[in-house]
Amino acid sequence: QQQVKQSPQSLIVQKGGIPIINCAYENTAFDYFPWYQQFPGKGPALLIAIRPDVSEKKEGRFTISFNKSAKQFSLHIMDSQPGDSATYFCAASKNYGGATNKLIFGTGTLLAVQP
Amino acid sequence: KAGVTQTPRYLIKTRGQQVTLSCSPISGHRSVSWYQQTPGQGLQFLFEYFSETQRNKGNFPGRFSGRQFSNSRSEMNVSTLELGDSALYLCASSPGRGGRTDTQYFGPGTRLTVL
Repeated sequence: QQQVKQSPQSLIVQKGGIPIINCAYENTAFDYFPWYQQFPGKGPALLIAIRPDVSEKKEGRFTISFNKSAKQFSLHIMDSQPGDSATYFCAASKNYGGATNKLIFGTGTLLAVQP
Repeated sequence: KAGVTQTPRYLIKTRGQQVTLSCSPISGHRSVSWYQQTPGQGLQFLFEYFSETQRNKGNFPGRFSGRQFSNSRSEMNVSTLELGDSALYLCASSPGRGGRTDTQYFGPGTRLTVL
């Protein structure tokens, strides 16, 4: 119940394409769903996050779609660029009453955007 | 504001030794979480500290411990190192507001190699 399942494991798209990365969860107590981007040798950097009270959120070229009934959420990257080539992680967290910050991460998606 | 800083960036130790890693959170942040990242297990939550108290703990053996100081800086310690402890250890800081899960900002990590 604590797992977050992420797919695909790897993804190759052409420049300008729209890669889509999907995540699914079981625990309905999760109330915060961030996406992180990680480049080799760096720590994960927050891209965008959503809470279950909205179905979609956009920030620049990044969009999260959230389906509460299906317990799924996905990341879309519009007009992808070679500089977007990185590993993307979805995550989920639930409030334990004292606002703890334990993130459960998906397994990651290695994205390659070809010029 | 300066980001999360971690020291040292790289460490090489031998089995049986112990190691201490340090994390300085973003100024004003009161919560510090630690994660272990390995190719096989991905990103796994170790523990979270808030106001010098451990607020949550992941499923790691007692060899892994941590603490937080009054200035919010945190250290984690791994005793009796094993080969499987080789990993990237990431620290994440967040404001620590009550009520809902905070956004977490990651440092660059400490790469630990156990020989």
